[in-house]
Amino acid sequence: AQRVTQPEKLLSVFKGAPVELKCNYSYSGSPELFWYVQYSRQRLQLLLRHISRESIKGFTADLNKGETSFHLKKPFAQEEDSAMYYCALSDSGGSNYKLTFGKGTLLTVNP
Amino acid sequence: KAGVTQTPRYLIKTRGQQVTLSCSPISGHRSVSWYQQTPGQGLQFLFEYFSETQRNKGNFPGRFSGRQFSNSRSEMNVSTLELGDSALYLCASRIGTGGTGELFFGEGSRLTVL
Repeated sequence: AQRVTQPEKLLSVFKGAPVELKCNYSYSGSPELFWYVQYSRQRLQLLLRHISRESIKGFTADLNKGETSFHLKKPFAQEEDSAMYYCALSDSGGSNYKLTFGKGTLLTVNP
Repeated sequence: KAGVTQTPRYLIKTRGQQVTLSCSPISGHRSVSWYQQTPGQGLQFLFEYFSETQRNKGNFPGRFSGRQFSNSRSEMNVSTLELGDSALYLCASRIGTGGTGELFFGEGSRLTVL
C-alpha cells in the first residue's frame, strides 16, 4: 500500500531563512510525487511535480528514490509562503489514478 | 475558465440522514475525484470517475457512493450518516487522459453531522 509521511505538523521559520519541508513515501512501483499548497482562505492547488523538475515560487523538490524522499526546499523563505503544504503520491498514470496525501505541514514564516 | 464548483458549501445533517453533494468540473475535464478531509485523517481518497465510470475507489464503506453524468458533473452520496462523517468533502477534476495529472480542487462542501 502506498503511504506518504510528513513528519512535521508545524514548521516555523523567520523571513529570509532556508526552509525544508520533509516528505517520505512508501510505494513499490514507480511513483509520481507532488507538492500541493493551500494558502489561507484559498483552495488546494498544485505547487510542483517531480516530473517537471522546475522551481515554482523559489521552491524546489528532488525525488530521492534511495531514501524514498521528496523534500521541499526554499533557500530564503518569504512571509507569503505561510501556508499548509501537502506532499502527495500517485501511481504513475494508468487508469487507477488516485493521490495519497500526507497529513500536511503548516509552515509559518515570521517577519 | 471557471474553476471546480461544489455545492452546497455548508450543510448540517443529523445521524441517519443521507446527503448528496454536487461537483461541476472545469470545462473539458473528464475525470472527477472526491476526497474527504478531516483533522485526524487528513485527505483521504474516496473515488474517481471518468466518462461516467468509477475507475478507482478508496477504503470507505458502501454508504459512500458517487456517480458521474454525461456532462462530467459528479455527485456523491452518503447514506445513513454517522457523526464521524463530519468533514470537508473536496472534489477535484483533471483532464483525464494525458495531461500533467494535475488535480484542480474545489472549495469543498463542509458537512456537519449532529
